[in-house]
Amino acid sequence: QSALTQPASVSGSPGQSITISCTGTSSDVGGYNYVSWYQQHPGKAPKLMIYDVSNRPSGVSNRFSGSKSANTASLTISGLQAEDEADYYCSSYIFSSTRFGTGTKVTVL
Amino acid sequence: QLQLQETGPGLVKPSETLSLTCTVSGGSISSSSYYWGWIRQPPGKGLDWIGSIYFSGSTYYNPSLKSRVTTSVDTSKNQFSLKLSSVTAADTAVYYCARHDTYGGDLGGFGYWGQGTLVTVSS
Repeated sequence: QSALTQPASVSGSPGQSITISCTGTSSDVGGYNYVSWYQQHPGKAPKLMIYDVSNRPSGVSNRFSGSKSANTASLTISGLQAEDEADYYCSSYIFSSTRFGTGTKVTVL
Repeated sequence: QLQLQETGPGLVKPSETLSLTCTVSGGSISSSSYYWGWIRQPPGKGLDWIGSIYFSGSTYYNPSLKSRVTTSVDTSKNQFSLKLSSVTAADTAVYYCARHDTYGGDLGGFGYWGQGTLVTVSS
């Protein structure tokens, strides 16, 4: 089962905006609006940041936003902060299954 | 506040069966709105979905692991469990249990996670 494709790393300076892409196919990302994004700090469990493409769970900063175009979903972090440095994973529903992305390491310069 | 906790052996011998249990507190495992899943993460690598189960016993599995995976649910104990057979060193990972939304059987995001438990496969 192939993972969704994410860039290995993205970096930005404090205050800047960065975008992480998550590329799949018409069978997963492009076929359903069930794309989620997770933040994972070292040694910690992942934390849900975005669900159903663009919805934020209660308590997640509005600096995090999600979108989708065709087979590619995106996570944008605006006003980058030091605490945003972490690994980020996307996931998507694919019929009777769930698929994670390859993961992106975000570095705050 | 919903909490999930994984328990089970931290060391499993090659060719044996890995068994983990996830205990849910602060909410009912019998909710119709959620599936209960297992995800693993090998050291230094990404997340890998193993499978998910509904309170009724309905299951979804990762096709690449399906032949070795069994999940079960015990609503009386508010627990669900994972068994992975014929393990090898490649199955060494942190194993997480988590809750995810379901929309008529389609699977949404994992909103609550356990802290994870490291399982090492070694003789």
